[in-house]
Amino acid sequence: DTGVSQNPRHKITKRGQNVTFRCDPISEHNRLYWYRQTLGQGPEFLTYFQNEAQLEKSRLLSDRFSAERPKGSFSTLEIQRTEQGDSAMYLCASSSLGRHNEQFFGPGTRLTVL
Amino acid sequence: KNEVEQSPQNLTAQEGEFITINCSYSVGISALHWLQQHPGGGIVSLFMLSSGKKKHGRLIATINIQEKHSSLHITASHPRDSAVYICAVRNTGNQFYFGTGTSLTVIP
Repeated sequence: DTGVSQNPRHKITKRGQNVTFRCDPISEHNRLYWYRQTLGQGPEFLTYFQNEAQLEKSRLLSDRFSAERPKGSFSTLEIQRTEQGDSAMYLCASSSLGRHNEQFFGPGTRLTVL
Repeated sequence: KNEVEQSPQNLTAQEGEFITINCSYSVGISALHWLQQHPGGGIVSLFMLSSGKKKHGRLIATINIQEKHSSLHITASHPRDSAVYICAVRNTGNQFYFGTGTSLTVIP
C-alpha cells in the first residue's frame, strides 16, 4: 500500500495524558499537512511541512500541540495534557510540490479524551 | 463567517436523480478541491480545479473564479454515492480552508 498511513487509528486517553500520532506520507511527497475534524464539521487546518520545515501553523494550535517532521518523511503530532475538547479525528495529508498538486489523505486517527 | 460555504448541508435524493452541490468562497485561491468522505472518515480527492470544468464518469465539477463559486454535479445518482462531499480551497499561501460538507443520501 503506497497511500498515506496513520497510526494509531483510534486512541482513547484520560484527560491530562499526552498522546502522539504518526503519519507516513506517500514517499515522494514533499508536503505534509495535519488537520483536525470534529463531528459534523469540515477539516480544520492545523499545520503543514515542506520537507522537514514547518511552514505554517494555525492559531488553532495551542502550545500543548507540537508537530515534527525530523527527516522530511514521517511526521508526528503530539498533544500534551489532553483536554476533552481535543477529542476529534486528526487527519494527515500529503502532496508533492507545485501549485496544482492534489492532496492525498490518510485514514485519520480518532482521539477520544475521557 | 467561514471562508468556504457549502449548500445544502444535507441532501436526500432518489436513485437516478441529478444532484448539485454548491460551494462559495471568500478568499483568493490557487485551487479548489472537491473531496468525498465516507462513514469512518476516509477522504478521497475527487477533483482539483483552478478554472473551467472537469468530468470524471458521472461527476462533473465547475468553477467560476470571478464569482468565487463552484458546483459539483452527480448525474444518474446511485446509493453508493452516499457520502459527505467537502469543498476545500487552497489560498495563495498554500493554506487550505474547508467547507462543513454536504451529507448526501441516495435512496434506492
